[in-house]
Amino acid sequence: EAQVTQNPRYLITVTGKKLTVTCSQNMNHEYMSWYRQDPGLGLRQIYYSMNVEVTDKGDVPEGYKVSRKEKRNFPLILESPSPNQTSLYFCASSPEGNYGYTFGSGTRLTVV
Amino acid sequence: GQQVMQIPQYQHVQEGEDFTTYCNSSTTLSNIQWYKQRPGGHPVFLIQLVKSGEVKKQKRLTFQFGEAKKNSSLHITATQTTDVGTYFCAGPHASGGSYIPTFGRGTSLIVHP
Repeated sequence: EAQVTQNPRYLITVTGKKLTVTCSQNMNHEYMSWYRQDPGLGLRQIYYSMNVEVTDKGDVPEGYKVSRKEKRNFPLILESPSPNQTSLYFCASSPEGNYGYTFGSGTRLTVV
Repeated sequence: GQQVMQIPQYQHVQEGEDFTTYCNSSTTLSNIQWYKQRPGGHPVFLIQLVKSGEVKKQKRLTFQFGEAKKNSSLHITATQTTDVGTYFCAGPHASGGSYIPTFGRGTSLIVHP
C-alpha cells in the first residue's frame, strides 16, 4: 500500500530533551515536506526537500532540523524542544512539488 | 511571500444545504490543489486544477479555478454528515526552480443532521 508513515503517533516530552520524528514513504517520491498544524493557523510548512541532500526552510523553521540522506526518509529533529513546539505534525510527499501531496497520519507532540 | 487566503473559517449547515468555500491568492497560481481533513485525521488530496476557468466535479463536489488563476472555490451540493471536516486549498509558490504548496487556513464544515 502506497503510504507515508510517521512515528510516533503521540509523544510527550520535556523541555530541552532532543527528539526525532521519523517519516518514510514507499512511493519513490522526490518531494517531502513537514508541516505543523495549530488551531486557527492551518498547515504551516516547516521544511521541505526536493531530493536527496536538498532541503530548504519553509515558513516556520526555527527550532527544527531535517535531513534527507535517503529518498524514502525525511526525519524531523527537535534539538531542544520548547512548549511552543507543542503541535500536530504532518509529513507529506509528492512525486513533484507541483502535484498533490500524500500525508502521513500525523504526530501529536506535547512539550512540557 | 505568497499568501493563500481562505474563507469562511467555519461554516455550519443543516444536512441537505449547500456549502461553498473560497480561496484567494495574492499572486497568479500555476495550479490550485484541494484537500479534505476529517476530524482527527490527516489531509487527503482531493483534486488539482490547472487551467484558467477550469471546472471539475466529483459527485456532489464542484471545484472551480478562476479566469485570472488567482481564486478558486469548492462547492458541495446537498451536504451530508460524511462531508464534515476541514477543507484546505493549496497554491504552489516558486522556490529554487520548483513549486512548493502554500496552504490556506482551511474552512471547517459542520453539518447538523
